[in-house]
Amino acid sequence: AQSVTQPDIHITVSEGASLELRCNYSYGATPYLFWYVQSPGQGLQLLLKYFSGDTLVQGIKGFEAEFKRSQSSFNLRKPSVHWSDAAEYFCAVVTGSSNTGKLIFGQGTTLQVKP
Amino acid sequence: ETGVTQSPTHLIKTRGQQVTLRCSSQSGHNTVSWYQQALGQGPQFIFQYYREEENGRGNFPPRFSGLQFPNYSSELNVNALELDDSALYLCASSLVLGYGYTFGSGTRLTVV
Repeated sequence: AQSVTQPDIHITVSEGASLELRCNYSYGATPYLFWYVQSPGQGLQLLLKYFSGDTLVQGIKGFEAEFKRSQSSFNLRKPSVHWSDAAEYFCAVVTGSSNTGKLIFGQGTTLQVKP
Repeated sequence: ETGVTQSPTHLIKTRGQQVTLRCSSQSGHNTVSWYQQALGQGPQFIFQYYREEENGRGNFPPRFSGLQFPNYSSELNVNALELDDSALYLCASSLVLGYGYTFGSGTRLTVV
C-alpha cells in the first residue's frame, strides 16, 4: 500500500540555523509529491510540489526539496530558519489514477524554533 | 482569486446527532475532496467529487456522505456522530484531477 513516512515527529532548531525535514514514500509508479505547512488551528498551505523534471524544486518562503528516486525520499530544506517557520509540516503523495488522485499524508513533523 | 472557504469554523455536537459542513471551492476548480485530521495526525482522505460525482473514497463508513453542487461547492454530512469523529475537517479543491490542491482553513468539530 502507498504510504508516506516522516521519521521525525518533533524537531527543534535555532533561529538562523539550517533545516532538513525528512520524508520517505512508498509508491510503485512515478510519484507526485507535496510539502504542506500548517500553523496551529489553520488549514494547509502548499510549500512546493514535484511532478516531474528537475529533482530540486523551489517553493515559497525560501524552502526547497529534492526528489531522490533511488532513496524514495523527498526531503525539505531551508538554509536559514526564521522564528515564523515554527509550524507543523506534512509531506504527501498523490496516489491513484489521474481521475481519482488522492493525497496520502505523513504523520507530520512539528518544528520548534529557538531564539 | 478567491481561496477555499469552509463553514462553520467551529462546531460542537452531541453524540448521535447529524452534522453538515460546507465548502466553497476556489474559483474555477471542479474537483473537491474532504479530509479528516485528528489531533496530532496527518489528514486522512474521506472522499472526492468531480463534476458532482463521487470518484474516490477512503476508509470511512457510509455515515460519512457528501454532495457537490453545480457551482462546485460541496457539503460533508456525518450521521450518528461518534466521539471519535471529533477532528478538524479540511476541504480541498483542484482544477486538474489529482494535482495542486488548495486547502481551506477547516472546520473544527467537537463531539461530546
